Amino acid sequence: GENVEQHPSTLSVQEGDSAVIKCTYSDSASNYFPWYKQELGKRPQLIIDIRSNVGEKKDQRIAVTLNKTAKHFSLHITETQPEDSAVYFCAASIGRTNAGKSTFGDGTTLTVKP
Amino acid sequence: NAGVTQTPKFRVLKTGQSMTLLCAQDMNHEYMYWYRQDPGMGLRLIHYSVGEGTTAKGEVPDGYNVSRLKKQNFLLGLESAAPSQTSVYFCASSYGAEQYFGPGTRLTVT
Repeated sequence: GENVEQHPSTLSVQEGDSAVIKCTYSDSASNYFPWYKQELGKRPQLIIDIRSNVGEKKDQRIAVTLNKTAKHFSLHITETQPEDSAVYFCAASIGRTNAGKSTFGDGTTLTVKP
Repeated sequence: NAGVTQTPKFRVLKTGQSMTLLCAQDMNHEYMYWYRQDPGMGLRLIHYSVGEGTTAKGEVPDGYNVSRLKKQNFLLGLESAAPSQTSVYFCASSYGAEQYFGPGTRLTVT
């Protein structure tokens, strides 16, 4: 089955700096790569996603890049703010072909210091 | 739209007791999932369902059973709770690959 590895497990940055979280996946059939943000005590919520026919996607301060050949994708957060502090999860999925199931990374705890 | 809801929010069980967690969604999604979340281990899939009346095992199904009698509801049962089942349980639903999560149930087994 699919295996997703996520690094680093913890990340601390100063407010205004950039943060990068990286994930690798094993199944070349995976074609959908979402990123979820989970604030303390809350549910995971989708913040950005990318499909395998796209190399990069941006949404304001957040961007995701995908390298299908190397089977890795990354989340980039620029101009970090204290409210970006949370646990971030990457995931890989084959979509409806596999009942929409996603395999999740173990998460990265991001702390943004004011 | 309420989205995905879960009941209860918190529960404390003694070893050997049983309980059922209820998940409901009002988005008419075909797919529903139960995950457990433990510190440092991300989200692990327990069971899932591709439609009313169907269920399948996920990554960590032992000690749990599920039922999906109605499209909007997905129940997770613990027949004989063990301390190793202390965790936060999340339900999710989807139409395709994007998953919508419920608020979670924090379960402690003593």
